Order: sequence, then C-alpha cells, then structure tokens
Amino acid sequence: GAGVSQSPRYKVAKRGQDVALRCDPISGHVSLFWYQQALGQGPEFLTYFQNEAQLDKSGLPSDRFFAERPEGSVSTLKIQRTQQEDSAVYLCASRELAATGELFFGEGSRLTVL
Amino acid sequence: RKEVEQDPGPFNVPEGATVAFNCTYSNSASQSFFWYRQDCRKEPKLLMSVYSSGNEDGRFTAQLNRASQYISLLIRDSKLSDSATYLCVVPLGGADGLTFGKGTHLIIQP
Repeated sequence: GAGVSQSPRYKVAKRGQDVALRCDPISGHVSLFWYQQALGQGPEFLTYFQNEAQLDKSGLPSDRFFAERPEGSVSTLKIQRTQQEDSAVYLCASRELAATGELFFGEGSRLTVL
Repeated sequence: RKEVEQDPGPFNVPEGATVAFNCTYSNSASQSFFWYRQDCRKEPKLLMSVYSSGNEDGRFTAQLNRASQYISLLIRDSKLSDSATYLCVVPLGGADGLTFGKGTHLIIQP
C-alpha cells in the first residue's frame, strides 16, 4: 500500500526482554516521527528524523529507548529491558517535507509488557 | 502548566447540534496549527489545518486566537460519524516537534 506501515501490530513481551518496532514510511517522505500513546492520552513525541539524521530525541524516556533510520527510509525503534510502563501504542508518522505539512500515521504497534 | 491543554470530555451531544471545544497552548511562534481526529483504536488523521485567518471546511470551522493562545474547533449539524477523539496539535520546541494535546472525546447521540 501507499501508506505508513508498522510492524508488528501487536507485541507481547516479558519484562526485561528487548523489542524492535519497525516503521516503513511513505516513499520519499523526508521526515519521520515516533510517538508513544498510552491509553486515554494523546500521542507523546519521542524522536524525529530528517532523512537519516536524528534531529531530535528529546522525547525518548530513557536510555533504554533507541531509534535509527540508517538509509533515510525504514526506521526501527528499539526498547531494551522492557518495563511494564513501556506498555503503549507506538505510532510512527511521516511527512513529505522537512518543516511543514500533514503527518501521515501508521496504525501503530501495540506493546504489552507483562 | 502543560504545553497543550484540552478538555478531555466526554462531550455528549445530540445529533444535529453544534459543538465547540478549545485547545490552549503555552507558547508558540508558529503560523500553523492542526486538528487531528482519532477513532477508537485507530491512528490519528488530519482533520484541519489552522492558520492565522481561521479555516472552514463544510461543517467544521477552526480558529486561532494568538492573543489568548488558543485554537478552537466548531462542528455544526453534528453527525453520528463525528464521534471520535479530537486532538489539537501545536508546533512547539525545536526540530519541528509537533506536540499533541490529550484529546477531547466527543460522543454524538441519536
């Protein structure tokens, strides 16, 4: 399809496990964002890429969270040693331009940490 | 004070009524703001962009009040299908960070 694709859609992890969440943005989109959305809350900004450069990672909650976009297209959000408070929906969004325009979201990856 | 604040609701409104809700923000020099709509267990989708002069699209009107630092969304002749969570989005901070409010939950009742 032509939209933002995320995988896996659902992930159940035991506390302490590492997880990797993938985002395949719309082809040609320069900007890529990761957001974390807890139940009943709005999306919380995690990190932002412009092409392969990670320009802002101020929203990453701890050093257990790591994101990369090595070739400026697909991005991976990795969470090490998962904790229960990491349970949330992780949304990826892409934008055609660097500084303006509509964000197109993927359906999200729902992470449950037991 | 949180950077972007919305009344979480829920707003229970009869079909056909007009409903309006506001979003206040702490500080932004941006020229454009946004309203996104999110259905239950779905991803957010752009509803409207909000520019300094306001914006109208059919039954929806969005306005920006810089002096009071809020944006508003007005829905006229509400439909059952308007039931959703409405997220206000404000560009804050560096690197084009788009900050979302927690959302206002709207329920249109038949």
